[in-house]
Amino acid sequence: EVQLVESGGGLVQPGRSLGLACGGSGFTFGDYAMHWVRQAPGKGLEWVAGINWNSVSIDYADSVRGRFTIARDNAENSVFLQMNSLKVEDTALYYCAKDHLKWELTPDSFDIWGQGTMVTVSS
Amino acid sequence: QLTQSPSSLSASVGDRVTITCRASQGINSNVAWYQQKSGKAPRLLIYTASTLQTGIPSRFSGSGSGTDFTLTISSLQPEDFATYYCQQLYSFPLSFGQGTRLEFK
Repeated sequence: EVQLVESGGGLVQPGRSLGLACGGSGFTFGDYAMHWVRQAPGKGLEWVAGINWNSVSIDYADSVRGRFTIARDNAENSVFLQMNSLKVEDTALYYCAKDHLKWELTPDSFDIWGQGTMVTVSS
Repeated sequence: QLTQSPSSLSASVGDRVTITCRASQGINSNVAWYQQKSGKAPRLLIYTASTLQTGIPSRFSGSGSGTDFTLTISSLQPEDFATYYCQQLYSFPLSFGQGTRLEFK
């Protein structure tokens, strides 16, 4: 079964850091670009960051650029999101998602999603 | 920027429903559509504007190119009541429409 499982969410104070992880199984993880998407409570979807298969191509939403870092370890079938200088408005359910296409950061859709991990930024 | 309409829609089982997504500039056919049920992750329905994802019922269809796109459900089933999002994948940063909540009339 193709699956993504996120972990690492929790309650954190504004200005602090938190790291998320997402493990993939049931597919050749290292062949695909991966993404993080978030959803604030009661709100819509917001793309956060994407990384191609070999970590050469990376991009971020303007709202997180300079504060968040996406990385991957293909040997561990995992993608990560390091979140620094967290703000209250970063509070959201964070999903990792698999790119439908192989290799490069030229997606045509996200075909597999995890169940998400909740990040709450509050004092 | 993507603008979805309507933001909410009431319909009955068996109805034909159309949701529209308009881009602020041309994005070729680089649009995907997702369904999200309450408390669940999004599910891919359509990619490249009109290609049905494997395993998705044929009552779902997509069309459009350039700036105007539509998702159509030909005959609503009880399990289709959910929120639907369009997504542009033409350029980074990627973006989603604000969503259309499909409710039971």
